[in-house]
Amino acid sequence: ETGVTQTPRHLVMGMTNKKSLKCEQHLGHNAMYWYKQSAKKPLELMFVYSLEERVENNSVPSRFSPECPNSSHLFLHLHTLQPEDSALYLCASSHGTSGGSGNEQFFGPGTRLTVL
Amino acid sequence: AQKITQTQPGMFVQEKEAVTLDCTYDTSDQSYGLFWYKQPSSGEMIFLIYQGSYDEQNATEGRYSLNFQKARKSANLVISASQLGDSAMYFCASFGRGSTLGRLYFGRGTQLTVWP
Repeated sequence: ETGVTQTPRHLVMGMTNKKSLKCEQHLGHNAMYWYKQSAKKPLELMFVYSLEERVENNSVPSRFSPECPNSSHLFLHLHTLQPEDSALYLCASSHGTSGGSGNEQFFGPGTRLTVL
Repeated sequence: AQKITQTQPGMFVQEKEAVTLDCTYDTSDQSYGLFWYKQPSSGEMIFLIYQGSYDEQNATEGRYSLNFQKARKSANLVISASQLGDSAMYFCASFGRGSTLGRLYFGRGTQLTVWP
């Protein structure tokens, strides 16, 4: 496997379900991100982890719970979601979080989530 | 905060022709970076090109070049010799030194369609 992988690619869940999204990066990066992409809205940053420590929680509801057990893996635990949470959830990684050349974010293919 | 504006919801270009995708940005940061990403229908965001605010020359990567006009706060993407595989959504994004750690600001994107 190379780059950034995400599983599952598609997920349908009810509002009372609990599920988890998984992201794995094979690039040796130290920072990982969760983004939400809804129809007709710009990409929204949800969480940032740097060296396994959460450094940004962008006012995300508590029904989304991230976990970063090591620098290669990132999870997004979901519970009691709402239909408006249906979106494409993208994971990304980068060397560092300071931006600029060399710290480009590399994205996974995303998980298409539908909440019924 | 930063703001990215992409005014072209959709663009059409014939194969082998060049196309310019517009991007303007609004930032109060003195030091910042601009990125372009491509998102095919499969969902993955693919990094294309980066321009730093202090870079004197326009960035180029293969068929991609960035027409950076700092005074106008524009960072247009030029794709030369378009190919059918270039059909995708294209996002402009910015990062500033004053940004929240790791945060990229994305525009709403431009859907490019390349026809034979």
